Amino acid sequence: GQQVMQIPQYQHVQEGEDFTTYCNSSTTLSNIQWYKQRPGGHPVFLIQLVKSGEVKKQKRLTFQFGEAKKNSSLHITATQTTDVGTYFCAGRGTSYGKLTFGQGTILTVHP
Amino acid sequence: DAGVIQSPRHEVTEMGQEVTLRCKPISGHNSLFWYRQTMMRGLELLIYFNNNVPIDDSGMPEDRFSAKMPNASFSTLKIQPSEPRDSAVYFCASSFRGPADTQYFGPGTRLTVL
Repeated sequence: GQQVMQIPQYQHVQEGEDFTTYCNSSTTLSNIQWYKQRPGGHPVFLIQLVKSGEVKKQKRLTFQFGEAKKNSSLHITATQTTDVGTYFCAGRGTSYGKLTFGQGTILTVHP
Repeated sequence: DAGVIQSPRHEVTEMGQEVTLRCKPISGHNSLFWYRQTMMRGLELLIYFNNNVPIDDSGMPEDRFSAKMPNASFSTLKIQPSEPRDSAVYFCASSFRGPADTQYFGPGTRLTVL
């Protein structure tokens, strides 16, 4: 079955440092979504990428979809304490109907 | 819109007891998902429904778990009998246009089985 792997599992940064999490799929994806879960909260949708090589930005967050549509990344510039949480990618394969979530990257930001 | 509603928010029970978790999806959404989240296993999809019909229950751990969706506005996840290893946060999510669409998660039910 389809597998979606995320690295790293944990990331500790000082406030102001950059952060990147990577998502890799065992199969080609038709789209990929990113979610953020604050501590004690629930996953909240951030963005969806559909096109090969697509890049989207939301303020300090930059999302990329790989040319082969098998990987994606989320980059945060100059992290803030409000960025703390778990970031999940979720991909839909071209043959499978449902989203498959990665295991998430837990981000800690030290002030 | 009120968002996805789950109840109870917290449940503490003793091993062997029956536990029922409830979910009301966002009105108009046609897919509903049940997830379990633990530190060890992360976010696991247990089952999802499309138009009230169970489509994929391959994530349901064992026969002690069952889920129903009697109508478009209500679903239950039942554990009978419960065991300590079932302790987790259980999320319900819904989506508008099917299982690959954006998912909107409820606040979750934190279950503790003693």
